[in-house]
Amino acid sequence: QQQVKQSPQSLIVQKGGISIINCAYENTAFDYFPWYQQFPGKGPALLIAIRPDVSEKKEGRFTISFNKSAKQFSLHIMDSQPGDSATYFCAASMKAAGNKLTFGGGTRVLVKP
Amino acid sequence: DTGVSQDPRHKITKRGQNVTFRCDPISEHNRLYWYRQTLGQGPEFLTYFQNEAQLEKSRLLSDRFSAERPKGSFSTLEIQRTEQGDSAMYLCASGTVAGSADTQYFGPGTRLTVL
Repeated sequence: QQQVKQSPQSLIVQKGGISIINCAYENTAFDYFPWYQQFPGKGPALLIAIRPDVSEKKEGRFTISFNKSAKQFSLHIMDSQPGDSATYFCAASMKAAGNKLTFGGGTRVLVKP
Repeated sequence: DTGVSQDPRHKITKRGQNVTFRCDPISEHNRLYWYRQTLGQGPEFLTYFQNEAQLEKSRLLSDRFSAERPKGSFSTLEIQRTEQGDSAMYLCASGTVAGSADTQYFGPGTRLTVL
């Protein structure tokens, strides 16, 4: 059972443009929603995270929008740069289950100069 | 470097051999997690420890897999009688249960290739 669904699978954006990645979850008991960035051959690195009591969180060029009623959340990357070219994963966890992460399938982002 | 470290970074082995990976978490973190990531997929949870206690094992963790965290610090993941399907990136992450902390920090991973 895929509890976190992520779309699109890949994305091409021009430098300076906005990248938008969407995720939907099924389990309403999830209480923490992080986004990770992964470069080839490296481990995932935490970008930004949100809890369900907040509808939006912004850190620099990265913004998470959270819609609890729709069980959806999204990552917006503003002013995309070539260095942002990476694979992005959304994830979800719940404290009651040891905070183990359930990941989406990933979105490969390519920022063209 | 105070981040999560993993050793080795790459391992090539023949089918049927045993392999062992090591993870050193961030020193003050009492939780340690193992995940497996196959090419083009998101990481999948395998098991986790709180201090030295192994609290949960995924059904993905067959009886050929065993993990330990003997002194609540570093952890090892052993795969016995490796199969080609075990080829993947094995990721370790650490975190803490202090307060409302939920964040996990990942190591660079160990890439396993089974020939």
